[in-house]
Amino acid sequence: EPEVTQTPSHQVTQMGQEVILRCVPISNHLYFYWYRQILGQKVEFLVSFYNNEISEKSEIFDDQFSVERPDGSNFTLKIRSTKLEDSAMYFCASHSGSDETQYFGPGTRLLVL
Amino acid sequence: QKEVEQNSGPLSVPEGAIASLNCTYSDRGSQSFFWYRQYSGKSPELIMSIYSNGDKEDGRFTAQLNKASQYVSLLIRDSQPSDSATYLCALRDRADGLTFGKGTHLIIQP
Repeated sequence: EPEVTQTPSHQVTQMGQEVILRCVPISNHLYFYWYRQILGQKVEFLVSFYNNEISEKSEIFDDQFSVERPDGSNFTLKIRSTKLEDSAMYFCASHSGSDETQYFGPGTRLLVL
Repeated sequence: QKEVEQNSGPLSVPEGAIASLNCTYSDRGSQSFFWYRQYSGKSPELIMSIYSNGDKEDGRFTAQLNKASQYVSLLIRDSQPSDSATYLCALRDRADGLTFGKGTHLIIQP
């Protein structure tokens, strides 16, 4: 069964460093998303991406965040200068457009020291 | 501000019984509703989606939606220990991203 994959599974970085989180959405899906979940808190929407551009972003998704689809398969989230409060699980999700179900990847656990 | 409210629990249910999970939401423009299951340290996994008022059944799971009351529920029949997890209610309005509740922690007691 097709699934969303994410790399790395864990990332430890120093405050102020740049990180890139990678996702491979399900191959025939057209809509891509990033969410985050701070430990013990709810899943929060960051950004959605369709047709090679951002379609919606939340107030969390400020200038330090960016997304890119550099090729036909990868979808990346870049955090330019990480802060302690960026420590969270980051989930990528995708859906096909034929229904609204978003399928989540296994997540990347980011720890900023 | 869209809000999705769930009782955080824990909700403890004996094995074989019916577990009832509830969710209320504030945005009347919400159109699509989802129940996800999340095991500790794992990603959300879709259980059910529901888009129109009434009941929708899938195996041991039944989702119920009442848009007038802004209420969504999930019933799990014949609860199994493997159903022990956090159940996330999520909704989507005209915008794109899902809004999640904090989840209800369900414990099925053998």
